[in-house]
Amino acid sequence: GENVEQHPSTLSVQEGDSAVIKCTYSDSASNYFPWYKQELGKRPQLIIDIRSNVGEKKDQRIAVTLNKTAKHFSLHITETQPEDSAVYFCAAISDTGRRALTFGSGTRLQVQP
Amino acid sequence: GAGVSQTPSNKVTEKGKYVELRCDPISGHTALYWYRQSLGQGPEFLIYFQGTGAADDSGLPNDRFFAVRPEGSVSTLKIQRTERGDSAVYLCASSLQGTSPLHFGNGTRLTVT
Repeated sequence: GENVEQHPSTLSVQEGDSAVIKCTYSDSASNYFPWYKQELGKRPQLIIDIRSNVGEKKDQRIAVTLNKTAKHFSLHITETQPEDSAVYFCAAISDTGRRALTFGSGTRLQVQP
Repeated sequence: GAGVSQTPSNKVTEKGKYVELRCDPISGHTALYWYRQSLGQGPEFLIYFQGTGAADDSGLPNDRFFAVRPEGSVSTLKIQRTERGDSAVYLCASSLQGTSPLHFGNGTRLTVT
């Protein structure tokens, strides 16, 4: 089945700096890659997603890139703000096999004011 | 429109007892998922429903865990003979179809004493 690895497990940046979180996946049939943000004690919330037919997607300060050949995808947050502090999870899913998201282990991002 | 609703929000039970956790998905969402999240970990897949049927229950850890969705809407996760290792946050999510964005509920925090 699918295996998703996420790095780093923790990331501390200064306010205004950029943050990058990387994930790799194992199932070459995976075709949908969402990113979720989870604040302490709250539900995971979708912040951005990308499908396998595109290589990059942007939404204001957030962008995701996908390299299908290398089977990895990354989340980029620019001009970080203290409210970006949270745990971020990547995930992957394919139309074949298990039709449920497989999540990475999470990255705790701390933005220092 | 309301989001995914889970009840109870917290459940404390004694080892060996039976518990039921309820999920009310977003209206019209045919896909429903149960995940389990332990502290500091990503959501771990348990079971996926498409309509009334369990399309994939390969994530259920053992036969003490069972889930139903009799009318294709509300789902109940049932855990028999609870063990301390079952303590976690149980998250429910729904989507329009298999690879559409997942919308999570706030979860049920289960504590087995």
